Amino acid sequence: EVQLVESGGGLVQPGGSLRLSCAASGFRFSRYGMTWVRQAPGKGLEWIAYITSVTSVTSPIYYADSVKGRFTISRDTAKNALFLQMNNVRTEDTAVYFCTRDARDTTSSMGVIHSWGHGTLVTVSS
Amino acid sequence: NFVLTQPPSVSESPGKTVSISCTRSSGRIAANYVQWFQQRPGSSPTTVIYEDDQRPSGVPDRFSGSIDSSSNSASLTISGLMTEDEADYYCQSYDSNSIHWVFGGGTKLTVL
Repeated sequence: EVQLVESGGGLVQPGGSLRLSCAASGFRFSRYGMTWVRQAPGKGLEWIAYITSVTSVTSPIYYADSVKGRFTISRDTAKNALFLQMNNVRTEDTAVYFCTRDARDTTSSMGVIHSWGHGTLVTVSS
Repeated sequence: NFVLTQPPSVSESPGKTVSISCTRSSGRIAANYVQWFQQRPGSSPTTVIYEDDQRPSGVPDRFSGSIDSSSNSASLTISGLMTEDEADYYCQSYDSNSIHWVFGGGTKLTVL
């Protein structure tokens, strides 16, 4: 069974930093593209960042404009973990952050969100 | 980026069938797969349809997905409505030109 468990959320001041983690199990983590999605309180879903599988030839990374230059997505295949380093956070970054997995372990599955974690809440406030 | 437009809310009675639309503003709906997610109050989203019309294991066959090129839209259809289907539903696709993941604004389904 695919399991994605996020952690690392909490209260952080504007301009501060936070590192989110997502522990993956139940599948060959290295073979799947992974995505971070967030949801502000009472709002809809917003894509944040994507990292391709380790098996991808070029392993590109993509970011939404709202976080580009401030957030960094990375993965550690030895630990089966996905990360989101959040720097210079703003009040509008307050949200629940979800870790998700692509549907298939092929590059053609890029863009096809399939499995979700339970999320971790990040609150940016002074 | 294109926009995916969903109706803010729909309602229907138990046992009936309801469809939720998701209209793509530019580019062909068939160009990139569409996914549908269910989010019950206080819970994380779960996938009910992926790759336009595929159901993950464990999702009842009351849920079905389709795309319509004539209206450039995707639809999620839920038949035999149950009170437990009451939730927010989001469509999602992928902009392969700008390399962005796109979500619809969400539709609140009320089963009354």
